[in-house]
Amino acid sequence: DTGVSQNPRHKITKRGQNVTFRCDPISEHNRLYWYRQTLGQGPEFLTYFQNEAQLEKSRLLSDRFSAERPKGSFSTLEIQRTEQGDSAMYLCASISRGSDNNEQFFGPGTRLTVL
Amino acid sequence: AQRVTQPEKLLSVFKGAPVELKCNYSYSGSPELFWYVQYSRQRLQLLLRHISRESIKGFTADLNKGETSFHLKKPFAQEEDSAMYYCALRSSSNTGKLIFGQGTTLQVKP
Repeated sequence: DTGVSQNPRHKITKRGQNVTFRCDPISEHNRLYWYRQTLGQGPEFLTYFQNEAQLEKSRLLSDRFSAERPKGSFSTLEIQRTEQGDSAMYLCASISRGSDNNEQFFGPGTRLTVL
Repeated sequence: AQRVTQPEKLLSVFKGAPVELKCNYSYSGSPELFWYVQYSRQRLQLLLRHISRESIKGFTADLNKGETSFHLKKPFAQEEDSAMYYCALRSSSNTGKLIFGQGTTLQVKP
């Protein structure tokens, strides 16, 4: 286990298409976050899972966005009917249940370009 | 509202010069603050946390509640310190999500 992994690393799509990203957290990390980062900005929180339960969603997460973590392991983030404004880096982070330092471990991100 | 502000987009210094990356926050209560770093072509990683009061790679950061600041400092910059630095605040919500500043690019010239 070399850390949080995300696939694909890059995705180019046409406006109106649906896309799905995957995040595999560090093994046994029960907490998982999705963030979005646009050019020149810091990451912004999108949603949070504790095990398979989605416990918080940001206002940034419109109804075109949906995230799942069906078995409390990997997570998927789907964007339907993509818009050019969805172009960004999508980051996943995980943290262990018993973390005493609250360090979130980040994946390499998926860069989405909507044409 | 909980917010993090990094006023400088770019900080350019010469090798051996002191560095201070500014971070101000808005938070009611006892904040938990972090500095994350992203080197070229690498993922975002934790540099240091205010709770641990440690020095990592020569960097330190002191929480100043009176000035609501958490500036990152290093007395002598090295070329390998060139990277993007993000200040982050752990939200008071139960989720522990992070609230990031816009980031500062540190460029250390030889």
